Amino acid sequence: KAGVTQTPRYLIKTRGQQVTLSCSPISGHRSVSWYQQTPGQGLQFLFEYFSETQRNKGNFPGRFSGRQFSNSRSEMNVSTLELGDSALYLCASSLLMGTSGTVSYEQYFGPGTRLTVT
Amino acid sequence: GQQVMQIPQYQHVQEGEDFTTYCNSSTTLSNIQWYKQRPGGHPVFLIQLVKSGEVKKQKRLTFQFGEAKKNSSLHITATQTTDVGTYFCAGPGASGGSYIPTFGRGTSLIVHP
Repeated sequence: KAGVTQTPRYLIKTRGQQVTLSCSPISGHRSVSWYQQTPGQGLQFLFEYFSETQRNKGNFPGRFSGRQFSNSRSEMNVSTLELGDSALYLCASSLLMGTSGTVSYEQYFGPGTRLTVT
Repeated sequence: GQQVMQIPQYQHVQEGEDFTTYCNSSTTLSNIQWYKQRPGGHPVFLIQLVKSGEVKKQKRLTFQFGEAKKNSSLHITATQTTDVGTYFCAGPGASGGSYIPTFGRGTSLIVHP
């Protein structure tokens, strides 16, 4: 089974610009979560989408938004970029219900998009 | 909100020595996951623990979930250079019953050959 893919892998943007990152989950996974990883703050949850609906949201400003398409692919958008937005943005997909009916929260991460804001 | 604390932040060991990282939560966790991130890589799921007092083993790795479901540990026996990386624990944050993953800051394991 193919893993989670993210594009692009690297991005350099200027302060004030906006950026869109893309994520394709593992086939069959309907939950897609986004994380920001920085040396200073660690791994921080941005939001989760399930069946095209944002179901959970972390503590990030409204400049960070996302969406999910009917094929479960997801995009994340950051508007009015700030220097502090420089980070590794990780997407993770999850199969919420195991075949036995046990809820499984294990997440499978993509390789990430390294965003540098100058 | 719920916090997940991990110690130590860094651990240097000689190859062959054992290693343990600890994860503590301010609230009871319904479940906990462990992930490993190699330098320059992305987090990779290792295991999930759900039951109080649960112990699971994966070769040289032993995972434990505390009786009160507020702490967990990962123990590696006889470390190898391939064990190098940062180990994260993650638990569900509480928000009206919704699942919001909260990751610890991680323990970086450095193995000296």
